[in-house]
Amino acid sequence: AQSVTQLGSHVSVSEGALVLLRCNYSSSVPPYLFWYVQYPNQGLQLLLKYTSAATLVKGINGFEAEFKKSETSFHLTKPSAHMSDAAEYFCAVKSGYSTLTFGKGTMLLVSP
Amino acid sequence: DTEVTQTPKHLVMGMTNKKSLKCEQHMGHRAMYWYKQKAKKPPELMFVYSYEKLSINESVPSRFSPECPNSSLLNLHLHALQPEDSALYLCASSQESTSGGAGETQYFGPGTRLLVL
Repeated sequence: AQSVTQLGSHVSVSEGALVLLRCNYSSSVPPYLFWYVQYPNQGLQLLLKYTSAATLVKGINGFEAEFKKSETSFHLTKPSAHMSDAAEYFCAVKSGYSTLTFGKGTMLLVSP
Repeated sequence: DTEVTQTPKHLVMGMTNKKSLKCEQHMGHRAMYWYKQKAKKPPELMFVYSYEKLSINESVPSRFSPECPNSSLLNLHLHALQPEDSALYLCASSQESTSGGAGETQYFGPGTRLLVL
């Protein structure tokens, strides 16, 4: 069985501030982890994914995430928020023969 | 090219209508997916096709009927829908099916926003 927990349904930051979106996973086998972003009225776009090659994963738009097995976490960060980062972010896990399991999502709000 | 296209972008239908949603990808992917997404919720898996064969049906009502005519196309036929079926319908594709390639990325289309009156 696998699951994802995203802490905080909404996160608010000021433009230029650090972005931190939290994701914790549960998986009985080594997981593959993904972060997707969804802008209003659009589909999901892959930001980055962890597939065991490296624990620090760099993605698009300046985002990165670090896989920490001891903490079962895969938090998403960006050093400096931009207004265009305002969107819904989904963490997802896949392991073994399972389907992709999404977290409930975190809405990132960026204020000027 | 990592593009998945979906048509139409918006659809309004009555409860007695029959309509179809279409999805297309030209990445050579052999797995295709339909998801339903309600507002402020994550996508929910409906169907998975692997090598043009239906491999997963997540207990979806029969008023939704998927079809995979070839490796690039995926349709979702709609009939006698209910207002609670109004949602964003997302198509995705990946290189492998759920039976292998656990780390394969799913690429999503822009979705069809469906309103059932």
